[in-house]
Amino acid sequence: AQSVTQLGSHVSVSEGALVLLRCNYSSSVPPYLFWYVQYPNQGLQLLLKYTSAATLVKGINGFEAEFKKSETSFHLTKPSAHMSDAAEYFCAVTPMGFSGGYNKLIFGAGTRLAVHP
Amino acid sequence: DTAVSQTPKYLVTQMGNDKSIKCEQNLGHDTMYWYKQDSKKFLKIMFSYNNKELIINETVPNRFSPKSPDKAHLNLHINSLELGDSAVYFCASSQVGGQMNTEAFFGQGTRLTVV
Repeated sequence: AQSVTQLGSHVSVSEGALVLLRCNYSSSVPPYLFWYVQYPNQGLQLLLKYTSAATLVKGINGFEAEFKKSETSFHLTKPSAHMSDAAEYFCAVTPMGFSGGYNKLIFGAGTRLAVHP
Repeated sequence: DTAVSQTPKYLVTQMGNDKSIKCEQNLGHDTMYWYKQDSKKFLKIMFSYNNKELIINETVPNRFSPKSPDKAHLNLHINSLELGDSAVYFCASSQVGGQMNTEAFFGQGTRLTVV
């Protein structure tokens, strides 16, 4: 069964520091991988996605993630944190071989990012 | 111009009542979903519809009944509400073509509180 593990339910960084949010997945077939961001009392917004093309994926707001098959990881990074990056971040996987053929997103538990001055 | 819109945004109701949440998408997608986010922020799929046909039903209690009058709408009706149904419910949509799974676009969520 597919699953997603996000290491660290809370991450705190200083403004201007590197942001690293960790995501590991398990999937019996090559997956599609996503990072979504949720601001307080908002819906989920797609940051970036991996769909078996380039392994280094660039997203919105300066975020990027690298797909590493050997490590089954898809960690999210941003070189310099901004106060506005404070939010909940979710890693999600859709197995390409899912028999239903559709986007059954399986989410990690989320990581709350706090950015302090 | 909201892509996926849900109404209402907040819903407070008593145990035992029946309530509905409406969802509409104007993206022209053929697949719609309901996800539930619990108090610990954990997100899990409940249902998926493709062109008005139920595709996924993730062992959700029978008290929950989705209805899709057309591919742009997916409503969620809940009977005999229980305290444990309190959560944020998200509607989403995506376009699926062949083996391509495109990203899901989410609504703003409906915060349901059962008292």
